[in-house]
Amino acid sequence: QVQLLQSGAEVRKPGASVKISCTASGYMFTRFYLHWIRQAPGQGLEWMGVINPRAGYRSYAQKFQDRIKVTGDASSNIVHLELSSLRSDDTATYYCAREDYSSSLGFDFWGQGTLVSVSS
Amino acid sequence: SYDLTQPPSVSVSPGQTASIACSGDSLANQFSYWYQHKPGQAPTLMIYKDTERPSGIPERFSGSSSGTTATLTINGVRAEDEADYYCQSSDNSGAFRVFGGGTKVTVL
Repeated sequence: QVQLLQSGAEVRKPGASVKISCTASGYMFTRFYLHWIRQAPGQGLEWMGVINPRAGYRSYAQKFQDRIKVTGDASSNIVHLELSSLRSDDTATYYCAREDYSSSLGFDFWGQGTLVSVSS
Repeated sequence: SYDLTQPPSVSVSPGQTASIACSGDSLANQFSYWYQHKPGQAPTLMIYKDTERPSGIPERFSGSSSGTTATLTINGVRAEDEADYYCQSSDNSGAFRVFGGGTKVTVL
């Protein structure tokens, strides 16, 4: 069955960086985009960026352009999100989600979420 | 602009109908999607491509879209439908995704 398994919770100080992972299984990894979406406490869902694991294509929300990096390893079905220059308002649960871009089916499977806490 | 606007909250009695509107310029040219999000869980896709329902989603959930407004309708609301609901779409280039601000559905 399809699974997106994310790495565990992280705690960082302001100004630091964090790298979290999303390991896919149960489907053909290169057929789907993988997105990163976050939710800060009391806030809504916020799209951050996407990678096409087949071609390496990436797109990032303008808000994060200067401090986000999404990478993928098709040989191990893993995608990473790296966010730098962390601030307290980056405290959030971060989700990966897959999208069948060829069929416009939306984000049909999601990871379980990774809590990132930023505090001095 | 490809912002999406939703009402912050909707209240409905059990068995009644709840409708949530989502407005945004990009909806005129891009599909809309709807997600249900309950505390402590990952979001669940409820509607894709404006009107389609994924396997396993109850028939009481339906979607529609006209012009720059998409609508999620829940017929015969149940207590278990109490959750936050988010619309989602893309910008006109298809490179970016965007979520609406979310609507909290309260079942009275």
